[in-house]
Amino acid sequence: EDQVTQSPEALRLQEGESSSLNCSYTVSGLRGLFWYRQDPGKGPEFLFTLYSAGEEKEKERLKATLTKKESFLHITAPKPEDSATYLCAVHDTGGGNKLTFGTGTQLKVEL
Amino acid sequence: DAGVIQSPRHEVTEMGQEVTLRCKPISGHNSLFWYRQTMMRGLELLIYFNNNVPIDDSGMPEDRFSAKMPNASFSTLKIQPSEPRDSAVYFCASREQTYNEQFFGPGTRLTVL
Repeated sequence: EDQVTQSPEALRLQEGESSSLNCSYTVSGLRGLFWYRQDPGKGPEFLFTLYSAGEEKEKERLKATLTKKESFLHITAPKPEDSATYLCAVHDTGGGNKLTFGTGTQLKVEL
Repeated sequence: DAGVIQSPRHEVTEMGQEVTLRCKPISGHNSLFWYRQTMMRGLELLIYFNNNVPIDDSGMPEDRFSAKMPNASFSTLKIQPSEPRDSAVYFCASREQTYNEQFFGPGTRLTVL
């Protein structure tokens, strides 16, 4: 059974204080790893897809990286508007079109 | 593109009543997913459809839940009878065949009293 574990559960940063969120996963075969951002009262918003170990993707202050066992979402010089819950999900080669989500990291960036 | 559309956005009902949630996927997307999100369990897949056909309903909690997709632009999730433990946010998502990414709607917040 696919497993996705995200850490930390919650993270509080000062504006400009860079950090990383972790997503550890167990799958029989990885078809893709996804990062989503979720704001309160809204649906998850797609950020990145990573397909193979060593791959990296960037968008503004966010950079996602992937190894064979985990993914990191690096946040460089965050701003208050980066405050949200960040969700990681995996797509298993044997899972049809299903995604298995982690429980998320709640990020709060303060002035 | 309007994105995935869900209605209603909020639903408050009494235990035992029937609840119907609605979803319009993004035009051209051929997979549709229903999820439930709670604080305790996070985001859970209930059922998904490919080309309007239910493929995997193993996440549907029990027979009180049913889902249909009569055409490519509309799906419903029905709970009958509803119970307080069904209170959650229900999301619909859709996906284009060529890509892996799923795109989520704004959700329906269901409260069963």
